Amino acid sequence: GAGVSQTPSNKVTEKGKYVELRCDPISGHTALYWYRQSLGQGPEFLIYFQGTGAADDSGLPNDRFFAVRPEGSVSTLKIQRTERGDSAVYLCASSGDFGELFFGEGSRLTVL
Amino acid sequence: AQRVTQPEKLLSVFKGAPVELKCNYSYSGSPELFWYVQYSRQRLQLLLRHISRESIKGFTADLNKGETSFHLKKPFAQEEDSAMYYCALRTNTGFQKLVFGTGTRLLVSP
Repeated sequence: GAGVSQTPSNKVTEKGKYVELRCDPISGHTALYWYRQSLGQGPEFLIYFQGTGAADDSGLPNDRFFAVRPEGSVSTLKIQRTERGDSAVYLCASSGDFGELFFGEGSRLTVL
Repeated sequence: AQRVTQPEKLLSVFKGAPVELKCNYSYSGSPELFWYVQYSRQRLQLLLRHISRESIKGFTADLNKGETSFHLKKPFAQEEDSAMYYCALRTNTGFQKLVFGTGTRLLVSP
């Protein structure tokens, strides 16, 4: 596609459930980022991939959060045992050679 | 640690008035600074970056290393400039993550 695609756009789940959020980056972009944006806040860095490997996962809040990018393209952010505090918009972005980040529209996660 | 501060949550001006959205950063090295914008119902997108030294949609921003600032300015605001504006910093070493400020909502009234 022409831009970064994220699915689902909205996800409502119950506390304690497992959630997967998917990101399809712009074709050819080697760098992929996950951010989390809570209400009234700026995007908060979670993890950055260069190719298939996680180059920096220092932003993941705890071990309930995990992300993969097995073939260096699509990435999945996985959240185990969701908590109400995980409710936020999860943004994915990719970048190519010039470093500009192209963002998706985000996945809004609501944990009841 | 790197930090970006945007002191104003909301900036409200009338059409044609000058605009300055403030951004200060904390980083001991030489950073790369950006402004990203999010218009209503649209995704976050790059507005400008300091190394380009260009004017985009009439906006300019100058990196002031002495004051560690990267304020965004426009001499005459337009209604279509109403949006959320985020200042962001990327370090010149190590990994390429962007650190964002909390954002300023610009509201331009007719």
